Amino acid sequence: AQSVTQLDSQVPVFEEAPVELRCNYSSSVSVYLFWYVQYPNQGLQLLLKYLSGSTLVKGINGFEAEFNKSQTSFHLRKPSVHISDTAEYFCAVSDRGNKLVFGAGTILRVKS
Amino acid sequence: GAVVSQHPSWVICKSGTSVKIECRSLDFQATTMFWYRQFPKQSLMLMATSNEGSKATYEQGVEKDKFLINHASLTLSTLTVTSAHPEDSSFYICSARAPTASLGELFFGEGSRLTVL
Repeated sequence: AQSVTQLDSQVPVFEEAPVELRCNYSSSVSVYLFWYVQYPNQGLQLLLKYLSGSTLVKGINGFEAEFNKSQTSFHLRKPSVHISDTAEYFCAVSDRGNKLVFGAGTILRVKS
Repeated sequence: GAVVSQHPSWVICKSGTSVKIECRSLDFQATTMFWYRQFPKQSLMLMATSNEGSKATYEQGVEKDKFLINHASLTLSTLTVTSAHPEDSSFYICSARAPTASLGELFFGEGSRLTVL
């Protein structure tokens, strides 16, 4: 079975500052890793994913994440955030099947 | 991208009544839909996998007689919370996999908040 831990429930940051949202996972098999974002009053949408290959994955809106197998982490980063990035971010893992296991989510609050 | 819509977005009901939540794929056909439940400050918990034309597959610990799932068409899955109680109050979210989606990508509805009085 897989599990996902998002270490921070909320991350406040000022506009144009860098941000990192942390995600650690556990699994006994090879996995796919995802970050989803949920803007207020909207459904979750895919931000980026790691399936194989390069460990640095780039997604939409300037976000990127790095898969670190030895540390079982998949942290999400953005070098300069905007007010519009305020949302809840979910890390998820799949055992390469159809099911996704989600973390508890991290609320990113960007302040001006 | 593909669009998934849920209705209602919020519902309040009395204890003992049943509530139906609809999940529709608006611009694609979904042979498989997923139902999640989310408690405040907790992760989305997969409740069941809904397969068009067959019985849903429930996750361990989820009461199938309590949470009835029907996937009668390729664009509609429904979740019925039967004889609802206050502990059933939660945020219910559905998702679907579109035929043209990239591997692992799911499309999510906006969620339905159920409050049982």
